[in-house]
Amino acid sequence: KQEVTQIPAALSVPEGENLVLNCSFTDSAIYNLQWFRQDPGKGLTSLLLIQSSQREQTSGRLNASLDKSSGRSTLYIAASQPGDSATYLCAVKTASGGSYIPTFGRGTSLIVHP
Amino acid sequence: EPEVTQTPSHQVTQMGQEVILRCVPISNHLYFYWYRQILGQKVEFLVSFYNNEISEKSEIFDDQFSVERPDGSNFTLKIRSTKLEDSAMYFCASSTEQDTQYFGPGTRLTVL
Repeated sequence: KQEVTQIPAALSVPEGENLVLNCSFTDSAIYNLQWFRQDPGKGLTSLLLIQSSQREQTSGRLNASLDKSSGRSTLYIAASQPGDSATYLCAVKTASGGSYIPTFGRGTSLIVHP
Repeated sequence: EPEVTQTPSHQVTQMGQEVILRCVPISNHLYFYWYRQILGQKVEFLVSFYNNEISEKSEIFDDQFSVERPDGSNFTLKIRSTKLEDSAMYFCASSTEQDTQYFGPGTRLTVL
């Protein structure tokens, strides 16, 4: 059974810092990995999707990498802003026996203070 | 920009009652999903739906749950006899192929 772990659980940083959020998974037979942000009481917003054949994806100040062999993904946020404050979730879609079930981590709660 | 919508935003029901949660996915999407998030817990996958049938379901999605696409736009989740532990946020999502999923704002279900 796939297990997804996100470290750290919480992070508080001053504005302008570059950040690295970590996601690890136990079963490397993944189909894709998706990073989301979740604002309090709201739904999830997709940030980046990495297919299993890809090593990284970039969107603006965000860069996500994937290393299947070590079971890790990182989300890099450059020049953080207060508007980046949210919970960041990693979701791994595992390809196992023809089944594609997504598994989420608990998330990293990020606060960027001015 | 097209978005996934969900109704109602908050549903309060008595234990044992049936509830139907409604979702309108993005119009050109073909894959539809339901997730739930119990307060303070992880987001959990319930079910995926493609071509008018369930394509995947988790252990959570037992006989008390069902999904339906009654017309060309709506996608519903029915819980037949609600339990206290069904209290959670329920999120609908949709995607094209097996691709980026777009989530709705959620329905908060409270079972008393």
